[in-house]
Amino acid sequence: QVQLVESGGGVVQPGRSLRLSCEASGFTFSTSVLHWVRQAPGKGPEWVAIISHDATKTTYADSVKGRFTISRDNSKNMLYLQMYSLRADDTAVYFCARDKCTGAGCSFFDYWGQGALVTVSS
Amino acid sequence: DIVMTQSPGSLSVSLGERATINCKSSQSVLYTSNNKNYLAWYQQKPGQPPKLLIYWASTRESGVPDRFSGSGSGTDFTLTISSLQAEDVAVYYCQQYYGPPPYTFGQGTKLEI
Repeated sequence: QVQLVESGGGVVQPGRSLRLSCEASGFTFSTSVLHWVRQAPGKGPEWVAIISHDATKTTYADSVKGRFTISRDNSKNMLYLQMYSLRADDTAVYFCARDKCTGAGCSFFDYWGQGALVTVSS
Repeated sequence: DIVMTQSPGSLSVSLGERATINCKSSQSVLYTSNNKNYLAWYQQKPGQPPKLLIYWASTRESGVPDRFSGSGSGTDFTLTISSLQAEDVAVYYCQQYYGPPPYTFGQGTKLEI
C-alpha cells in the first residue's frame, strides 16, 4: 500500500535551517509528481511546493520562494524540503503528498503522509 | 491568487440528514478546453492528514462512500453528504488546482452532529 512517512521536524530558532524528509513506498516513485503542503495550527492547508517526477521542474509558493528548496532522490524513494531562514509564521505541520496524476500532474493530492511538526520559536 | 471561500464555517446536522457545504472561487476554475472544473474536496479528522473525497468537482475518489457527492461549475461548488453518519464528523476543505500555482484551499467547514 502507498505510504509516505515524513521525518525531520522539530523546534528551531528563527533564522535557522531545517530539512524535512519523506520516505515513500508502495508505488512507482520515479513517475510520481510530489508536493509539500503545510498546515498551521487551527488553519486550512497551504500548498508549499511541487517537484516533477524527474526533478527538472520545481515551483514554490510566494511565501517560501527563495527560502525553501524541494528536491528528490528517485534512487532512494525520498522527497526532501530544505528550509532556510525560518520564521515564526513557518510554524506548521508539513505534509508530503502525492499528485493524483502522473506525467505533468494535476496538483491535487491522493495520498498524504501523517505530517512533521515544525515549530519556529526562540 | 485564486481565493476559495467556504460557507458555512461550521455546520450541525442530525444523523441521517443531509449536509451541504459550499465553496466559491474568486475566479472560474472551469478549463473550457476540456470542460473540467479544477476543484477537489477533502475530509480531515483530528490528528490526521486530509483525505481526498472528490476531484474534477464531481468525481468520487475510489473507496469514498456514495453518500458523498460534488456538484457545481465555474465559481460555485457544493459538497453534499446525503445521509450523515457519525464517522463523517470532520473538517471539510475545497481546493482549486487551476494552474498556475499557487493551489489554494478554502478555510474549512467544521461538520458536527
